[in-house]
Amino acid sequence: QSVLTQPPSVSGAPGQRVTISCTGSSSNIGAGYDVYWYQQLPGTAPKLLISSDNNRPSGVPDRFSGSKSGISASLAISGLQAEDEADYYCQSYDNRVSPSYVFGTGTKVTV
Amino acid sequence: QVQLQESGPGLVRPSGTLSLTCAVSGDSISSSNWWSWVRQPPGKGLMWIGEIYQSGKTNYNPSLKSRVTISVDKSKNQFSLKLSSVTAADTAVYYCARSPGGNLDFWGQGSLVTVSS
Repeated sequence: QSVLTQPPSVSGAPGQRVTISCTGSSSNIGAGYDVYWYQQLPGTAPKLLISSDNNRPSGVPDRFSGSKSGISASLAISGLQAEDEADYYCQSYDNRVSPSYVFGTGTKVTV
Repeated sequence: QVQLQESGPGLVRPSGTLSLTCAVSGDSISSSNWWSWVRQPPGKGLMWIGEIYQSGKTNYNPSLKSRVTISVDKSKNQFSLKLSSVTAADTAVYYCARSPGGNLDFWGQGSLVTVSS
């Protein structure tokens, strides 16, 4: 029941740059709500990676960056490392029926 | 450091009620934060279930609203989830998380709940 669409997978060699798109609609990203990104390593809980479109919580490497335009957002990972292999989810807010958090479909990053 | 820990039965019978509790440490349940539940079916993506504020005010995912109840216990610094009339489709890892405003910044480790007879 995800309302934010992400590519199922992206891959890159160590050191390369990859981007993950997150496409929503006028009731969520297009309405101006902030976009957040989470990293989920295998068998663990999601971890907040990017806050409020492009802010990194303490401890998150500056290799990770976010952006937003219109009804879409993107996460970029530069200088790809083996430890970045994980699932990544975008998240925003949706006001279509009642205010609620919505997640993206998730993207598996393979290094 | 804020820590959250889910607890509850790992197996629930079909048509029964799923009940989980989230114990919070390193922050007060009465702080200016909301507290959320999120679930993830095996091999699938994340779904937000709902959230509660210290006052007891709640917001629920419209798709689950008729079956969900989230409550808070300030004396124990914890909050709880009840999901009624469960089916196999409700089998998932259930996470509790802190919601400071628009996002989920601290998560529990997750609790796998299987719905099966």
